[in-house]
Amino acid sequence: KNEVEQSPQNLTAQEGEFITINCSYSVGISALHWLQQHPGGGIVSLFMLSSGKKKHGRLIATINIQEKHSSLHITASHPRDSAVYICAVTPGRGANSKLTFGKGITLSVRP
Amino acid sequence: DAGVIQSPRHEVTEMGQEVTLRCKPISGHNSLFWYRQTMMRGLELLIYFNNNVPIDDSGMPEDRFSAKMPNASFSTLKIQPSEPRDSAVYFCASSSWTDNQPQHFGDGTRLSIL
Repeated sequence: KNEVEQSPQNLTAQEGEFITINCSYSVGISALHWLQQHPGGGIVSLFMLSSGKKKHGRLIATINIQEKHSSLHITASHPRDSAVYICAVTPGRGANSKLTFGKGITLSVRP
Repeated sequence: DAGVIQSPRHEVTEMGQEVTLRCKPISGHNSLFWYRQTMMRGLELLIYFNNNVPIDDSGMPEDRFSAKMPNASFSTLKIQPSEPRDSAVYFCASSSWTDNQPQHFGDGTRLSIL
């Protein structure tokens, strides 16, 4: 069993829809990261969080430490949000040591 | 801020050849990470450095892989001899460990071993 599980594996949405991507993990962590990767492109860190909620523009990330679960929400989705969204965790202590990654979710937003 | 700079962007070579990937981290960052991404296995950590010292190399696949960080502004990942199964995208990332900030990724090197 992977330490980081993401669901759903693939997701298609219509422009304007509210989108939720989930991540569950099975180990103690010091931080959880949401990353974005466009096709053929580099990787961008969207959020790094260890508790509560963070918001940046149309993106919101939440984490429930007790349930070992995090969600990434996209409001008013747009075709440019089409990308792979990767959840990663920093196991144990030390918020900025190595990352363990989920498989990623491919999001397609149709115009 | 130039970001994390990796070179080359693409590399195609024949099996058995030596391959050297290069990374320049963001100035002031004291942690550097090498990752590999494949379709089958996704993203995996190969090795990371804190203050130029290797901390965890448990992800390095085998002795054919080696990584160095001779100073705070440069790191290399070397594969010798290369094999077709080494074909992947290799990412370098850096961060400021003391500031507890997210990692910044380079654009990656797409490596194809024929």
